Amino acid sequence: GQNIDQPTEMTATEGAIVQINCTYQTSGFNGLFWYQQHAGEAPTFLSYNVLDGLEEKGRFSSFLSRSKGYSYLLLKELQMKDSASYLCAVRDGDYKLSFGAGTTVTVRA
Amino acid sequence: IAGITQAPTSQILAAGRRMTLRCTQDMRHNAMYWYRQDLGLGLRLIHYSNTAGTTGKGEVPDGYSVSRANTDDFPLTLASAVPSQTSVYFCASTLDRGPFYEQYFGPGTRLTVT
Repeated sequence: GQNIDQPTEMTATEGAIVQINCTYQTSGFNGLFWYQQHAGEAPTFLSYNVLDGLEEKGRFSSFLSRSKGYSYLLLKELQMKDSASYLCAVRDGDYKLSFGAGTTVTVRA
Repeated sequence: IAGITQAPTSQILAAGRRMTLRCTQDMRHNAMYWYRQDLGLGLRLIHYSNTAGTTGKGEVPDGYSVSRANTDDFPLTLASAVPSQTSVYFCASTLDRGPFYEQYFGPGTRLTVT
């Protein structure tokens, strides 16, 4: 089975940095994804890690440590539009995705 | 059509009724998926199809069935709806089942079973 844990909620101020942690235990590993989901909308792809290390994409970065079963998503220079739910998902040995419950980030002015 | 479409957008259904949720993609993606999303539980895989003509069971398949007659369409059927199937349903697709390919999600169907 799959076990993916991430915090339920986080709050930060506009312009600040927030780090969302994700720990996982899965049967097989073929990559870790981060998705963003605004309220009432579909998830949209943010980042993908399959090797250890940091992937940077503009204001968003994602880190992976396979030996520790750990990833984080770093959001820099927070904007009000970043208020959303962030989903950590692990692709297993059969290429299916298992999702964490999501972290709701609220950005305050 | 551009991307993935789902129909209906929302539906209120009486318990015991049969319902088919429709999903169509025009990206020629091989793999398609159905998820349900419930508060506090995240997205859970119901059924999937790696290619036209094949289907598989996900984490929560009971009470649901799917078919994949062609590449573009992947309908989800609730044979006899129950209140616990009240949820938001998302269809997704990916080009192939290889490691890099991201999943693209449809806009979702909000289903209420009374």
